[in-house]
Amino acid sequence: RKEVEQDPGPFNVPEGATVAFNCTYSNSASQSFFWYRQDCRKEPKLLMSVYSSGNEDGRFTAQLNRASQYISLLIRDSKLSDSATYLCVVTSTLNEKLTFGTGTRLTIIP
Amino acid sequence: NAGVTQTPKFRVLKTGQSMTLLCAQDMNHEYMYWYRQDPGMGLRLIHYSVGEGTTAKGEVPDGYNVSRLKKQNFLLGLESAAPSQTSVYFCASSKWGGQFEQFFGPGTRLTVL
Repeated sequence: RKEVEQDPGPFNVPEGATVAFNCTYSNSASQSFFWYRQDCRKEPKLLMSVYSSGNEDGRFTAQLNRASQYISLLIRDSKLSDSATYLCVVTSTLNEKLTFGTGTRLTIIP
Repeated sequence: NAGVTQTPKFRVLKTGQSMTLLCAQDMNHEYMYWYRQDPGMGLRLIHYSVGEGTTAKGEVPDGYNVSRLKKQNFLLGLESAAPSQTSVYFCASSKWGGQFEQFFGPGTRLTVL
């Protein structure tokens, strides 16, 4: 079983729609959780951290369920500029390194 | 601040040749990482460093060596390149450990013929 699993997509979604991504992780001792975004042929960049209480940043909402070892990302009112690959990221037990999921590709259609 | 820079941006090698990829950061970060990214495989950690003079193996270290002689630089070496090492290589740094944001360089596209 992979340490971090994501639906690879692609997700093709009309502009203005709401889209949700899910991710599961296998290491129950993981300490920190993130969503990174990667544009085509570019480097990954941090989108947001994910907390057990859930957190929101504008149109983006992230949720963590430690009991189910499940992370989600919700994008509301999607924009063309949201087209990218979204990477689910989990830290190791000692927090010294990250494990990346293979990413979910999102395309927003005009 | 330049952030994280990588040299070179592109390189083509023949099987058996050697090369060194240079990563530099100007943010005074303690932790530095080397990843490779292949289609369908995601980012995989090659080696990392938790401070000047230290290195540790990641998920896919075979065929690579690293050095961190200066805090701001992290070098990745390929002693004898193989076609299986054709990939995009990303360097990253973070202030301390994984709980802090990782800042990535623009990547090096390496092709081994």
